[in-house]
Amino acid sequence: AQKVTQAQTEISVVEKEDVTLDCVYETRDTTYYLFWYKQPPSGELVFLIRRNSFDEQNEISGRYSWNFQKSTSSFNFTITASQVVDSAVYFCALSGVRYSSASKIIFGSGTRLSIRP
Amino acid sequence: AAGVIQSPRHLIKEKRETATLKCYPIPRHDTVYWYQQGPGQDPQFLISFYEKMQSDKGSIPDRFSAQQFSDYHSELNMSSLELGDSALYFCASRLAGEHEQFFGPGTRLTVL
Repeated sequence: AQKVTQAQTEISVVEKEDVTLDCVYETRDTTYYLFWYKQPPSGELVFLIRRNSFDEQNEISGRYSWNFQKSTSSFNFTITASQVVDSAVYFCALSGVRYSSASKIIFGSGTRLSIRP
Repeated sequence: AAGVIQSPRHLIKEKRETATLKCYPIPRHDTVYWYQQGPGQDPQFLISFYEKMQSDKGSIPDRFSAQQFSDYHSELNMSSLELGDSALYFCASRLAGEHEQFFGPGTRLTVL
């Protein structure tokens, strides 16, 4: 069975602080994809990153960085110098890789991030 | 670039009524997924279609049905609506062989 756990339900930090959102996953698949999505108050799901299970290289995109560690089944997300606009619910998600049929996305329960001015 | 289109964006229904949500995938995408996100919850997979055939099924109530048409658009039909059906319904599309699902903006259904 596939499962994604985001233990942090809510996080509140002051603007300009760094913040890390934790994500732990379970899967029996040897090949899979991990995702992070941002959901602002308006409700849409904003895609942030997709990571292939074979690619453990960490990634940095501006103030965002991701740390994928297969040994601990974790895919953590760090925002550096947080801004009020980063306030949103962040979902970590997992998907298997199945070319012959569709593969659904399993979402974690989300972490609500509030950035205080 | 064209994105996934969902209509309507907002829908208000009474209990026991029916509702139909529509999803228009990105051109050339042959796979469609439906997800339901209740208030304060994470999106939950309902059902998916590949080449007009149901490919996977999640926690979709028997009161709901869905299909994918020849032009690849999909419709989610919901009958005997209950208060608990109030949620944000997302559609996502994918091109088989590719790995990314593209999400639509969602339809917010409110059942009164």
